[in-house]
Amino acid sequence: DGGITQSPKYLFRKEGQNVTLSCEQNLNHDAMYWYRQDPGQGLRLIYYSQIVNDFQKGDIAEGYSVSREKKESFPLTVTSAQKNPTAFYLCASSLLYNEQFFGPGTRLTVL
Amino acid sequence: AQRVTQPEKLLSVFKGAPVELKCNYSYSGSPELFWYVQYSRQRLQLLLRHISRESIKGFTADLNKGETSFHLKKPFAQEEDSAMYYCALRPESGYSTLTFGKGTMLLVSP
Repeated sequence: DGGITQSPKYLFRKEGQNVTLSCEQNLNHDAMYWYRQDPGQGLRLIYYSQIVNDFQKGDIAEGYSVSREKKESFPLTVTSAQKNPTAFYLCASSLLYNEQFFGPGTRLTVL
Repeated sequence: AQRVTQPEKLLSVFKGAPVELKCNYSYSGSPELFWYVQYSRQRLQLLLRHISRESIKGFTADLNKGETSFHLKKPFAQEEDSAMYYCALRPESGYSTLTFGKGTMLLVSP
């Protein structure tokens, strides 16, 4: 199951705080992705990046930000502008146009 | 925009019974279709993709372009098949992003 790590496993946030979720991969994959998983909603794409220093918005990017300064890292910041941030967040990576491999996820709870 | 529909939130069967998890899609081009599975306390992982035409863990899925479907089938369900199953679509081979359905929970009872 190695290759993609996400930290922390659980994260608690107070109202009005920004938090950053970590995603690291050692698979030498070009592309990385962030999804949000809610019960009954499936996976929804937040942001993705196909190359270092470049990224694109997914379907639900509002209230989130990302950076891709290194090939192996794609951190996600959940800002205070995200109205309903409590969710399970999944990071994935892939070679371009190939199978996506998923991390173990981070469960974010807003207190 | 593309869409993936999994009409059943929950499918409950007995061990040894046939299983069919439905997946329909809407997309005008030639998409790639995938099934991903998430077992309890495990990561989401690829089960199969239509272009490989493989049978994984006894599951098969055939892309029916006429009916825009990619149903997942297994002739005899096992208890260890209990999991969350997601159908996903990639618009064309030149794209990297996936659109997922909402998922179907499969429960196999002894």
